[in-house]
Amino acid sequence: DIQLTQSPSFLSASVGDRVTITCRASQGISSSLAWYQQKPGKAPKLLIYAASTLQSGVPSRFSGSGSGTEFTLTISSLQPEDFATYYCQQLISYPITFGQGTRLEIK
Amino acid sequence: EVQLVESGGGLVQPGGSLRLSCAASGFTLSNHYIDWVRQAPGKGLEWVGRTRDKGSSYTTEYAASVKGRFTISRDDSKNSLYLQMNSLKTEDTAVYYCVRPHDSSWSGAYFDFWGQGTLVTVSS
Repeated sequence: DIQLTQSPSFLSASVGDRVTITCRASQGISSSLAWYQQKPGKAPKLLIYAASTLQSGVPSRFSGSGSGTEFTLTISSLQPEDFATYYCQQLISYPITFGQGTRLEIK
Repeated sequence: EVQLVESGGGLVQPGGSLRLSCAASGFTLSNHYIDWVRQAPGKGLEWVGRTRDKGSSYTTEYAASVKGRFTISRDDSKNSLYLQMNSLKTEDTAVYYCVRPHDSSWSGAYFDFWGQGTLVTVSS
């Protein structure tokens, strides 16, 4: 199974900050990575797929990069609605796996 | 508008069975893979399994943690998917989401539509 490790697991930041979340895969996954945002009590929402393609309707302050084993999700200027938990997901082999999540909280 | 609506969750004793349903609308179900993803209380996301589309003969895949206990089926004529869960364990307690991959290729396998989830609690 491909393991995904996100860092950090918890992040405290302020509105307007630039934040970066890292996702490392236990083996190469090319660009087969997606990022999701989840707010309490809600289903996850797709933000980015193919490592760097922004899903339709997602604000441009979100961006993704990387390939192989190391990937990043960057939020260029945090907005109040961005405080949530973020997950990466690999989509190259079964079982499909997710990172453990990064909880982003307001400082 | 694509919609996925889960139902059937509830309280069940360890060793028991439960069947979840997912009602799909806004797209042609037979042309799409459908997955189930679960989330234990306060925990992360775990992929449960997948049913492929008609073109792939509705074949299935499962996570090791549920293989042999859970079965995914579908009735395209009713626009419905099912997750039959047998021999339930306390660690199966979770919100179960029905999700739709964008398309059948690995490059399009990301989950762009999610249901609202249904809670399954396994407890005595």
